[in-house]
Amino acid sequence: GNSVTQMEGPVTLSEEAFLTINCTYTATGYPSLFWYVQYPGEGLQLLLKATKADDKGSNKGFEATYRKETTSFHLEKGSVQVSDSAVYFCALSDRYSGAGSYQLTFGKGTKLSVIP
Amino acid sequence: KAGVTQTPRYLIKTRGQQVTLSCSPISGHRSVSWYQQTPGQGLQFLFEYFSETQRNKGNFPGRFSGRQFSNSRSEMNVSTLELGDSALYLCASSPRIIGGSSYNEQFFGPGTRLTVL
Repeated sequence: GNSVTQMEGPVTLSEEAFLTINCTYTATGYPSLFWYVQYPGEGLQLLLKATKADDKGSNKGFEATYRKETTSFHLEKGSVQVSDSAVYFCALSDRYSGAGSYQLTFGKGTKLSVIP
Repeated sequence: KAGVTQTPRYLIKTRGQQVTLSCSPISGHRSVSWYQQTPGQGLQFLFEYFSETQRNKGNFPGRFSGRQFSNSRSEMNVSTLELGDSALYLCASSPRIIGGSSYNEQFFGPGTRLTVL
């Protein structure tokens, strides 16, 4: 079956530090990969996505590259801000799920705290 | 365009009771998926509905059920509540465009926080 493994948190960084959150996946088909962010008391927001190998997703200074050879989709940001404090989830959706469903399989989440 | 709405936002129930949660998708979206979020198990897929039909179901007992109406609104029901059902229940809608994007981006609502005492 499909699975996503991401680094355990919490992660605490100083403002303007470099961020990396590791994510690796296992999938039987040809998955699309996502990073979602969850702010306290809110639902999930899509941060970025990549649908095929070597695609790079980017948004709000965050980037992640779909690496099929290492089955990875690591999240990076060059300079984090206090407002980036949230929980980040790596997820995959298998395009060829038999029932035609696009259910998301999530990692456990990584809590990021950025201190001034 | 209004986002995904979920009602109620908070619920407190006791063991053995049943509960119904509601989700209104983004206008024009025809697919609704439900997820359970707990500190221990993380985010787990419950089921997906499209055109009033359940398309896929996660590994949850039969106490968890759902339905979708002709206007794409969805409800999920949990019967005979257990303490372990305490969770944030998230609904996500997707356009599910036939022949369109392969990933069918999902848009999440704020969730319903269910507490079982």
